Amino acid sequence: KAGVTQTPRYLIKTRGQQVTLSCSPISGHRSVSWYQQTPGQGLQFLFEYFSETQRNKGNFPGRFSGRQFSNSRSEMNVSTLELGDSALYLCASSLYPDTEAFFGQGTRLTVV
Amino acid sequence: GIQVEQSPPDLILQEGANSTLRCNFSDSVNNLQWFHQNPWGQLINLFYIPSGTKQNGRLSATTVATERYSLLYISSSQTTDSGVYFCAVISNFGNEKLTFGTGTRLTIIP
Repeated sequence: KAGVTQTPRYLIKTRGQQVTLSCSPISGHRSVSWYQQTPGQGLQFLFEYFSETQRNKGNFPGRFSGRQFSNSRSEMNVSTLELGDSALYLCASSLYPDTEAFFGQGTRLTVV
Repeated sequence: GIQVEQSPPDLILQEGANSTLRCNFSDSVNNLQWFHQNPWGQLINLFYIPSGTKQNGRLSATTVATERYSLLYISSSQTTDSGVYFCAVISNFGNEKLTFGTGTRLTIIP
């Protein structure tokens, strides 16, 4: 069965712009989590959604937001982009929260 | 929150050698996973192992939950094993989110 699909794979944006990233989980999986990976900070948790509800949120500013749709697909949005937002954004899907997580290929965002 | 430490941070080995990667965690967990991050950034699932021992080909893992550590063994290393290995856990307490260690960068030299 198809894995976790993230789009787009690469993105270049200008400081001050906003961006939306998409994640389609494995069919049947209802939980989606987002992570940011940077060389300096490692892998940091952004937020988790289950059945269209945000269950957890990491320590990120309000410029980072997300949502989950009824078909379990999820989007995350970053407004007023800063240079420090340049990172690999990874999405994970799992059947339920706290079960085995499977990751997509990631979206590499560069802010210039 | 839960703390996850991985050691060693870097490991350079000759092809054919065996290696052991360690993951220590500071609290009780109900989920522990090992991942291999490929050169393109994707995290590849190796093991889901909150406790016990599992084997998959040249790789095996053991988690001793009562002593709060997990080990990943790689035998007869190949150059394709190179990359960063992450351990990630979900604590029994507090926020149920996957918390990652800082990783072990493994380099296999031909």
